[in-house]
Amino acid sequence: KAGVTQTPRYLIKTRGQQVTLSCSPISGHRSVSWYQQTPGQGLQFLFEYFSETQRNKGNFPGRFSGRQFSNSRSEMNVSTLELGDSALYLCASSFGGSENIQYFGAGTRLSVL
Amino acid sequence: AQSVTQLGSHVSVSEGALVLLRCNYSSSVPPYLFWYVQYPNQGLQLLLKYTSAATLVKGINGFEAEFKKSETSFHLTKPSAHMSDAAEYFCAVSEETGRRALTFGSGTRLQVQP
Repeated sequence: KAGVTQTPRYLIKTRGQQVTLSCSPISGHRSVSWYQQTPGQGLQFLFEYFSETQRNKGNFPGRFSGRQFSNSRSEMNVSTLELGDSALYLCASSFGGSENIQYFGAGTRLSVL
Repeated sequence: AQSVTQLGSHVSVSEGALVLLRCNYSSSVPPYLFWYVQYPNQGLQLLLKYTSAATLVKGINGFEAEFKKSETSFHLTKPSAHMSDAAEYFCAVSEETGRRALTFGSGTRLQVQP
């Protein structure tokens, strides 16, 4: 069974640009969550989508948004990039049930110059 | 609100020695607890999980963890360290009901000396 796939693996952008990251969950998983990992703040939850609906949201500005498609694939968008948005963005998928066992992709490393 | 504290940002052990990585949590409701491992330039790999069944949980690569409600702890252990265990380890908590996001500790980097 294929794992969680994130594309691209690396991105370089400049301040003010926008970026879209993609995540394909494990087959059969309906929940996709996004996390930001930085050396200073550690791992922080961005949002979770389940059946195309945002079910939970972390404490990030509105520049961070996401969506989920009918095949459970998810995209995350960051508009008006800032230097502080440089991070490893991790996607995790789960069945969406109560046990909440999340499986992570390899991440997309975003560098904002 | 839930939180996780990992004592010790860096732990160094000799190959063959016991590995003990500490995790304490706080949660207002019964928690689900997880340990993940991250190798350089990779995502997080699930090592083991506690979801209110047995309090002693066995995971992959010889790791295990014990849920102790009275101490609000979920420490990770391995009897004998291997060089390949060198990585960063994260403890995470999620609530059984309500907010489903994982809350992570700050991580512990494990070094294994030959």
